Amino acid sequence: DSGVTQTPKHLITATGQRVTLRCSPRSGDLSVYWYQQSLDQGLQFLIQYYNGEERAKGNILERFSAQQFPDLHSELNLSSLELGDSALYFCASSAPRGNNSPLHFGNGTRLTVT
Amino acid sequence: KNEVEQSPQNLTAQEGEFITINCSYSVGISALHWLQQHPGGGIVSLFMLSSGKKKHGRLIATINIQEKHSSLHITASHPRDSAVYICAVRGNQFYFGTGTSLTVIP
Repeated sequence: DSGVTQTPKHLITATGQRVTLRCSPRSGDLSVYWYQQSLDQGLQFLIQYYNGEERAKGNILERFSAQQFPDLHSELNLSSLELGDSALYFCASSAPRGNNSPLHFGNGTRLTVT
Repeated sequence: KNEVEQSPQNLTAQEGEFITINCSYSVGISALHWLQQHPGGGIVSLFMLSSGKKKHGRLIATINIQEKHSSLHITASHPRDSAVYICAVRGNQFYFGTGTSLTVIP
């Protein structure tokens, strides 16, 4: 058990809809990362938050947004969903030692857009 | 353009064999991660390296910063090592290799 909790485990929704994925980091970890894993593109980095502030940005679409709250949990919002957004979305957290800390992954949220 | 290249893509080994997975990258990095993903989908971080070599049980990871290359070695491989192994580098953001699918046959 990594200590990182992601909810929900599965999500099925229709095109055009909006969903929110939630992540609770390991106790004491200040950094939260979001990743997308699709069959055709593999793992891709979306965004990192550190103690409530955006720290790094990857291949995150404008239709997607994220935030980290004062209690350090994070939410990833996906809007105007398309079929191609169907993927596994992982959250990871790391200890407050800059960028060079081991990552602890949640079990992922499997999103299916129909 | 792939910032991270892994080889081989697929690997089948007999139980007990010594296994090497290679990772080359083209960007400046502060750290390199080796990840393991089992068929159920969960991801586990095996190593984080910024220099030198690390060992954990039967797993060894090395990195050569000058050559921008890392290797993951598995000694005395076992069927439970069957998984996808992914190399990831942290530069200004994360970049991932496409993964090496390892199958160890009893």
